[in-house]
Amino acid sequence: KNEVEQSPQNLTAQEGEFITINCSYSVGISALHWLQQHPGGGIVSLFMLSSGKKKHGRLIATINIQEKHSSLHITASHPRDSAVYICAVRDHNGNQFYFGTGTSLTVIP
Amino acid sequence: ETGVTQTPRHLVMGMTNKKSLKCEQHLGHNAMYWYKQSAKKPLELMFVYNFKEQTENNSVPSRFSPECPNSSHLFLHLHTLQPEDSALYLCASSQEDRGDTEAFFGQGTRLTVV
Repeated sequence: KNEVEQSPQNLTAQEGEFITINCSYSVGISALHWLQQHPGGGIVSLFMLSSGKKKHGRLIATINIQEKHSSLHITASHPRDSAVYICAVRDHNGNQFYFGTGTSLTVIP
Repeated sequence: ETGVTQTPRHLVMGMTNKKSLKCEQHLGHNAMYWYKQSAKKPLELMFVYNFKEQTENNSVPSRFSPECPNSSHLFLHLHTLQPEDSALYLCASSQEDRGDTEAFFGQGTRLTVV
């Protein structure tokens, strides 16, 4: 079983819809990361969280440390948001990252 | 542009070839990583270099050989690879003064072994 589980694996939405991607993890962490990977392969870090909530433009990330759960929300989704979104956690014991398998998002115009 | 540059972006090699992947970061970070991303699987950590010292080797076959000549450069030397080694190889860097630092990724090298 993977230390990080994401849901859903695939998501198709109409432009303008509100989107939620979920991440659950089983290890003690020092931080949780949300990453975005476009079809070309490059990965961009969207958020790094250790508690609470962060917002950047139309993206919002929340984390509940007690429940070991995080969500990534996209408001007013746009076709350019189409990408794979990856949840990753950093083990508090060292410099090990654990990654989810990613959520493939397609936003249709 | 994340500050982490990988070359080449694409590589096709035969099983008897020897090639190297290069990663360069200009962020002043002291830790660099190699990850492998295969289709439908999570990223797998291969190697970690911290202050140029290899601190982690996740049971990676010896046909993959890392080299970190300085804190800005990281290489992955490849020889006698297998078709199942075809994947996206990603380099990342971070500043390891604290345990909650962000990792910055390169664009990756798409490797195909034929």
